[in-house]
Amino acid sequence: GNSVTQMEGPVTLSEEAFLTINCTYTATGYPSLFWYVQYPGEGLQLLLKATKADDKGSNKGFEATYRKETTSFHLEKGSVQVSDSAVYFCALHQGGKLIFGQGTELSVKP
Amino acid sequence: ETGVTQSPTHLIKTRGQQVTLRCSSQSGHNTVSWYQQALGQGPQFIFQYYREEENGRGNFPPRFSGLQFPNYSSELNVNALELDDSALYLCASSPGGGRDQETQYFGPGTRLLVL
Repeated sequence: GNSVTQMEGPVTLSEEAFLTINCTYTATGYPSLFWYVQYPGEGLQLLLKATKADDKGSNKGFEATYRKETTSFHLEKGSVQVSDSAVYFCALHQGGKLIFGQGTELSVKP
Repeated sequence: ETGVTQSPTHLIKTRGQQVTLRCSSQSGHNTVSWYQQALGQGPQFIFQYYREEENGRGNFPPRFSGLQFPNYSSELNVNALELDDSALYLCASSPGGGRDQETQYFGPGTRLLVL
């Protein structure tokens, strides 16, 4: 069945460091892909999305490119801030529902 | 534009009891989905409602049931609560039709603790 795998956390970075969070998926067809962010004690916020191969989603300095060849949707940011500390979830859309990865916790230190 | 709202924010119940969680969808959205998020895990799909009808269900037992009302708000009911039902319950709404319906907007969640 369809599934999403993310790199394990926690990921700890210093402020202004480069961020990559890996996400790969298994799916039939070409599902839309998403990144959501969850701040402590809160629900999920949509960060970015891509609906077809080679699409690049971007928002608030974060980017991810839909790679069909490698079935990946890695999240990147050039310079992280302390306020980016949160849990990041990669997800795919299938049959009306979202299938999530297990989440990657990011901690950014000043 | 009002986002997705959920009530209550927190709830404590004992094993065997029943609980009802509520969700108001974002303005203009006619589809509501419910997810269960256990501590340290990604959300798991429970079911979805579209125009007051169930429109898909995940791997959850029948004691998890739901409703959607004409104004597209929704309820999640869980009977015979078990300890493992302790989790954050998330509601998400999406607009109907086309690719737009794939993007789901989440509420803040209801944290349920079963003792």
